[in-house]
Amino acid sequence: AQSVTQLGSHVSVSEGALVLLRCNYSSSVPPYLFWYVQYPNQGLQLLLKYTTGATLVKGINGFEAEFKKSETSFHLTKPSAHMSDAAEYFCAVSPWGNGGSQGNLIFGKGTKLSVKP
Amino acid sequence: DSGVTQTPKHLITATGQRVTLRCSPRSGDLSVYWYQQSLDQGLQFLIQYYNGEERAKGNILERFSAQQFPDLHSELNLSSLELGDSALYFCASSPGTGNYGYTFGSGTRLTVV
Repeated sequence: AQSVTQLGSHVSVSEGALVLLRCNYSSSVPPYLFWYVQYPNQGLQLLLKYTTGATLVKGINGFEAEFKKSETSFHLTKPSAHMSDAAEYFCAVSPWGNGGSQGNLIFGKGTKLSVKP
Repeated sequence: DSGVTQTPKHLITATGQRVTLRCSPRSGDLSVYWYQQSLDQGLQFLIQYYNGEERAKGNILERFSAQQFPDLHSELNLSSLELGDSALYFCASSPGTGNYGYTFGSGTRLTVV
């Protein structure tokens, strides 16, 4: 069965430091992978996605993620953290790979990012 | 504003009651998804509708039901409510059936007392 594991429920970084949020997945089909961000009292916003093609994916707000099939990983990075990046981040996998006719996602438990001034 | 509208934003009700959550998808989107977010279970997929038809079902309890109407808005009905049903309920929408990333609403926070 497909699953997503996010290492670290809380990550704290200083402003200007590298942000690294880890995500490992398991999937029996070539996966579609996603990162979403949730700010307090808001819904989830799509940061970036990997479907096919280039394994380094760039998203909004300076975030990027690299799909590494050999490591079954899809870690999220940002070179320099801003205070506004403080939020909860969710990694997700589509259990249907190329989408098929069903679009539901399996989400990780989330990682709460704190940014210290 | 994501374009996905959920009402109400907050709902407080008693155990045993029934409530209806409403979702209007983004203009042009035909698929609607319902998710439940709770502290212990995280984000759980409940159900997907595409153009009025049920397309996928997840961990949705028998006490819960949903439908999508001809104008594409969707309603999630929760009945015989229990304390454990307290959660954030999100609706999301996408243009088609497959998964290329979708747009979430801001959620309905349900509190069962």
